[in-house]
Amino acid sequence: KAGVTQTPRYLIKTRGQQVTLSCSPISGHRSVSWYQQTPGQGLQFLFEYFSETQRNKGNFPGRFSGRQFSNSRSEMNVSTLELGDSALYLCASSSSHGIAEPRSYEQYFGPGTRLTVT
Amino acid sequence: AQKVTQVQTEISVVEKEDVTLDCVYETRDTTYYLFWYKQPPSGELVFLIRRNSFDEQNEISGRYSWNFQKSTSSFNFTITASQVVDSAVYFCALCRDSNAGGTSYGKLTFGQGTILTVHP
Repeated sequence: KAGVTQTPRYLIKTRGQQVTLSCSPISGHRSVSWYQQTPGQGLQFLFEYFSETQRNKGNFPGRFSGRQFSNSRSEMNVSTLELGDSALYLCASSSSHGIAEPRSYEQYFGPGTRLTVT
Repeated sequence: AQKVTQVQTEISVVEKEDVTLDCVYETRDTTYYLFWYKQPPSGELVFLIRRNSFDEQNEISGRYSWNFQKSTSSFNFTITASQVVDSAVYFCALCRDSNAGGTSYGKLTFGQGTILTVHP
């Protein structure tokens, strides 16, 4: 099976712009989570989507948003970029997180999108 | 609130030495899951192991072994006969059981990472 893919791999944006990052999960995986990794804050959870619904959200401002499509692909958007948004953004997929379904807690990560805000 | 602390920030060893990375966690949950991930210079987090809180058996996989002790809230990772290719950042992480409710889905709480450098 192909792994989690993220596009683009690298981005350079200017303050005030917005950006959209894309994530394609492992085939058959329905849960997608997003994380931000910075040297100062480490790995921090942004949000998680399952069946096109956001089920969990981390402590990030409303400038950070996301969505999931019917094919489980997910996008995250950051509006009005700030210098502090420079980070590696990682997407992870998991096979299921349904209440009535077998639980799988392993998350498999993509290579990340490195965003630089100047 | 959950918290994961990785005791060592950086470890440097010479090839073939054994090395242990220590992880201590805090949680009020009775059921939870613990993980170790490896992040090589390429940046992708590689899943190594998952451990359920109700299963305290230690696990060995090749040169890797994990020691889970619920009594001390620790989940330590040992690499035996380290190799240069083991050089990476290693993360310990904690996840609540989804039975804990709607705030638990998909969220891994990570430690700050341990940078392991294995010298030839």
